[in-house]
Amino acid sequence: KAGVTQTPRYLIKTRGQQVTLSCSPISGHRSVSWYQQTPGQGLQFLFEYFSETQRNKGNFPGRFSGRQFSNSRSEMNVSTLELGDSALYLCASSSGYNDEQFFGPGTRLTVL
Amino acid sequence: TQLLEQSPQFLSIQEGENLTVYCNSSSVFSSLQWYRQEPGEGPVLLVTVVTGGEVKKLKRLTFQFGDARKDSSLHITAAQPGDTGLYLCAGAGGGTSYGKLTFGQGTILTVHP
Repeated sequence: KAGVTQTPRYLIKTRGQQVTLSCSPISGHRSVSWYQQTPGQGLQFLFEYFSETQRNKGNFPGRFSGRQFSNSRSEMNVSTLELGDSALYLCASSSGYNDEQFFGPGTRLTVL
Repeated sequence: TQLLEQSPQFLSIQEGENLTVYCNSSSVFSSLQWYRQEPGEGPVLLVTVVTGGEVKKLKRLTFQFGDARKDSSLHITAAQPGDTGLYLCAGAGGGTSYGKLTFGQGTILTVHP
């Protein structure tokens, strides 16, 4: 069974631009969660989608948004990029069993 | 707000030594996962513990969930250079905490040959 895939793997943007990241979950998994990982803050939860509905959201500004499609693929969008948005963005999919999450390789976003 | 305190933050040992990493919280978790992450890659799930007092073994790695489901430990016996990496514990809050894992700050383990 194929794992979680994320595209693109690397992105370089400038301040003020917006970016869209994509995540394809493990086949059959309907829950997709997004995390931001930085050296200073570690892994922080952004939001979770299940059956095209956002069920949970972390403490991030409204510039961070997401959506999920009927095939469970998910995208997250960051608008008006700031230097502090530079991070590894990880998505994880879950079947719900024991809350186990399986992570993709991440998208490394650099904001200049 | 649930928090997980992970210690130590850094661990540098020689091949063959034993080590233990701890995760502690004042909150109860419905389950707790341990991950290992390589630079530039996503975390890889090692184990999930669910029941208070549960012990799971994965070759030279032993994972324990505290009786009250508030803490956990990872013990590695006879560490090898291939064990080098970032180890993360993550707790699931259960209930309406859909899809949210609370992560510890991580332990960077370096095993020298």
